[in-house]
Amino acid sequence: QKEVEQDPGPLSVPEGAIVSLNCTYSNSAFQYFMWYRQYSRKGPELLMYTYSSGNKEDGRFTAQVDKSSKYISLFIRDSQPSDSATYLCAMAPRGGGYNKLIFGAGTRLAVHP
Amino acid sequence: KAGVTQTPRYLIKTRGQQVTLSCSPISGHRSVSWYQQTPGQGLQFLFEYFSETQRNKGNFPGRFSGRQFSNSRSEMNVSTLELGDSALYLCASSLDVSGGGEQFFGPGTRLTVL
Repeated sequence: QKEVEQDPGPLSVPEGAIVSLNCTYSNSAFQYFMWYRQYSRKGPELLMYTYSSGNKEDGRFTAQVDKSSKYISLFIRDSQPSDSATYLCAMAPRGGGYNKLIFGAGTRLAVHP
Repeated sequence: KAGVTQTPRYLIKTRGQQVTLSCSPISGHRSVSWYQQTPGQGLQFLFEYFSETQRNKGNFPGRFSGRQFSNSRSEMNVSTLELGDSALYLCASSLDVSGGGEQFFGPGTRLTVL
């Protein structure tokens, strides 16, 4: 079993829809949670970073963390064609003295006009 | 503020050759991590350097190595290239010294091994 599970999709939605992307994890040591967006043939771009349970909002994006269920989500409101990309969840343990991210497989999202 | 830069952006090599990739982190960032991205395995951690020292290493063979210079720039080297080494190699930098901090990625170097 992988430490981080993420449905690879693809997910196709109409413009303006609310998109929900999810990851589950098995390692309770994970304390930091990130969402990255990656366009084709580009490097991942950090969208959201959180280290506590609950919600964090930034514009049209909301990240949600439920540590008790080991489940994280990213919601995209009013989705746009420019949101079409692969979304990767990533996690890291608390402290440890080093930076090492464990990634989900990524979900491919297509927003069509 | 300039982002993470990686050179070269594209490389084509043949089996058995070796390759060196370069990464310049965001100014002020002292932690540099390397990841390999392939369609089959996704993004996998290779190693991390901080203050010129390797702090952590992923599950890759010894053919993969790296180093960091005093200005925080980093290089990774792959020797005796295999077809399976074809991938996007990504570098990420972080300001955080204790781990778990935000990591910012460069555009990657796409390596093709023929």
